[in-house]
Amino acid sequence: DAKTTQPTSMDCAEGRAANLPCNHSTISGNEYVYWYRQIHSQGPQYIIHGLKNNETNEMASLIITEDRKSSTLILPHATLRDTAVYYCIVASSNDYKLSFGAGTTVTVRA
Amino acid sequence: GAVVSQHPSRVICKSGTSVKIECRSLDFQATTMFWYRQFPKQSLMLMATSNEGSKATYEQGVEKDKFLINHASLTLSTLTVTSAHPEDSSFYICSARWGASGNTIYFGEGSWLTVV
Repeated sequence: DAKTTQPTSMDCAEGRAANLPCNHSTISGNEYVYWYRQIHSQGPQYIIHGLKNNETNEMASLIITEDRKSSTLILPHATLRDTAVYYCIVASSNDYKLSFGAGTTVTVRA
Repeated sequence: GAVVSQHPSRVICKSGTSVKIECRSLDFQATTMFWYRQFPKQSLMLMATSNEGSKATYEQGVEKDKFLINHASLTLSTLTVTSAHPEDSSFYICSARWGASGNTIYFGEGSWLTVV
């Protein structure tokens, strides 16, 4: 019972912004949107999360639509080291259980 | 960002023995920790939720007597794989929720278990 839908893969050009979409049309009012990435054989790395407002940190920006049914993760200047599987996850503030789907395999090319 | 550390990073054990994996939050207190398992080329699967001072809550299909979880302090949770079999070989990953009221969750580096 996937709560999010992401493209299977994306190619991005080094130095350009990477925009990763995520659909979560059944999101509930108390569910956060989390983004993580995983590089092969490592634990997932936290990127950013939000409830309804747009968020920005040193790694990325998270844009959540007004109806909260979709969001976009923006990596402002993609580098080769950003190549990874990116996971968009919605989790309830009742239990904070993160259920991982297949994610988007992002390949940054020189 | 906050650091969650796992130990060991890699372990090989013999079939039938037990192995313990530790998960520590190094610079914050974590009232809730989570344990995941990941098989090659698959996504992470949540195994259980570990709350400090209480019994862990296991996901459907996860054997609680085989995967013993202890969360004895606000900075340490352990996963013990008992009577390990080769099919238990996997990448085990923990995560920790920042503080009692926080909503940021950090993951450890993962632990590779190989049962021979």
